[in-house]
Amino acid sequence: DAKTTQPNSMESNEEEPVHLPCNHSTISGTDYIHWYRQLPSQGPEYVIHGLTSNVNNRMASLAIAEDRKSSTLILHRATLRDAAVYYCILRDRGGTASKLTFGTGTRLQVTL
Amino acid sequence: DTAVSQTPKYLVTQMGNDKSIKCEQNLGHDTMYWYKQDSKKFLKIMFSYNNKELIINETVPNRFSPKSPDKAHLNLHINSLELGDSAVYFCASSQNGLAGGNQETQYFGPGTRLLVL
Repeated sequence: DAKTTQPNSMESNEEEPVHLPCNHSTISGTDYIHWYRQLPSQGPEYVIHGLTSNVNNRMASLAIAEDRKSSTLILHRATLRDAAVYYCILRDRGGTASKLTFGTGTRLQVTL
Repeated sequence: DTAVSQTPKYLVTQMGNDKSIKCEQNLGHDTMYWYKQDSKKFLKIMFSYNNKELIINETVPNRFSPKSPDKAHLNLHINSLELGDSAVYFCASSQNGLAGGNQETQYFGPGTRLLVL
């Protein structure tokens, strides 16, 4: 799987939007961009994924750069419950067995 | 209803013992996984089964042996436990790990915290 680069940590105030960046300059044409998050003492949780177009779901939005070398996970209004480690992962659509290769992720702190 | 469940939640044992961790998913998925998260919080895949067949076997000591009696269950047996096996073990499942696209979303269990003394 191609490599991703994320900031180690970010801080946000509650009720503010949060933009979590991810660089993936070696992304290939068939790689999907997946985001997972891990809340304290819990298993990872799927957030969103996309290929080329921007994506929205009830949890977040995913903005993908036109050249696909970077993407941004957007939490529209951060809450204390969004404090977690966020992982940006590339998955090859045409690959064999599916496995998630987790990096170090971005630890998001949300304060009042 | 819990989608992916693991037992036990906590496991404290002595070095040299043999222990098992169980995982069950009620999502009707074909593929299940075991991941290990060490003390530095790195999360790495260990094994994956698709319809009871092993499809991913990462570099893991052969003291670790997964077993899938049916596609809803994937158990992990660990022989001769060592201090370095202390970690959190997560089970996960996906609809079909051999397919692409949306089917690759993985659903994780709550984890089993293993402490080897």
